[in-house]
Amino acid sequence: QLVESGGGLVQPGGSLRLSCATSGFNFDNYAMTWVRQAPGKGLEWVSVISGGSGTIYYADSVKGRFTISRDNSENTVFLQMNSLRVGDTAVYYCAKGRQYRPHTSFDYWGQGIRVIVSS
Amino acid sequence: EIVLTQSPGTLSLSPGERATLSCRASQSVSSSYLAWYQHRPGQAPRLLIYGTSNRATGVPDRFSGSGSGTDFTLTISRLEPEDFVVYYCQQYGGSPGTFGQGTKVEIK
Repeated sequence: QLVESGGGLVQPGGSLRLSCATSGFNFDNYAMTWVRQAPGKGLEWVSVISGGSGTIYYADSVKGRFTISRDNSENTVFLQMNSLRVGDTAVYYCAKGRQYRPHTSFDYWGQGIRVIVSS
Repeated sequence: EIVLTQSPGTLSLSPGERATLSCRASQSVSSSYLAWYQHRPGQAPRLLIYGTSNRATGVPDRFSGSGSGTDFTLTISRLEPEDFVVYYCQQYGGSPGTFGQGTKVEIK
């Protein structure tokens, strides 16, 4: 099970921290990712972190503004979002990788959390 | 960044018909790193196929994947009513990974 939290309405330039609490699998054995879907758009991959946090990738659209991290003792992955833009408005999904390394597909997904960036 | 282009954008078919969805990459993708997802509005995406042709757990065998290099295909052999939703391909060999823009399968 994956449950996202921390979304909401924020002004441009503001910050939010998303959390994804997981259960039912050996969390530290799997990569975790964040994927988003803007209104009326398709899926956009945002960031991925390997099981041990040693490898992290970001989409160019969020690089330098978003930071992914994980707490393997709490089975939780985070997405710190700074300098938010109107274009970051989306439903954000966390998902579990099929493997430890970040080059993997994603087999279990949360229900998503809405982030709205607006003045 | 590898760009994935899906076609057609919308596929209009009837239940029981065969659906063929295409995903073309801007550069070669290892067949180990190509996946397909099904996405219903308001729900979490569902992994259907990974590694080009491997069905994920619980996925019916009417779904199959094939392809290599820059051209990949998702085939639904006989459409069921619940299959009329949106499908995305994803490559995860590059960093970053990328999704295609999606193909909507609608009832004709």
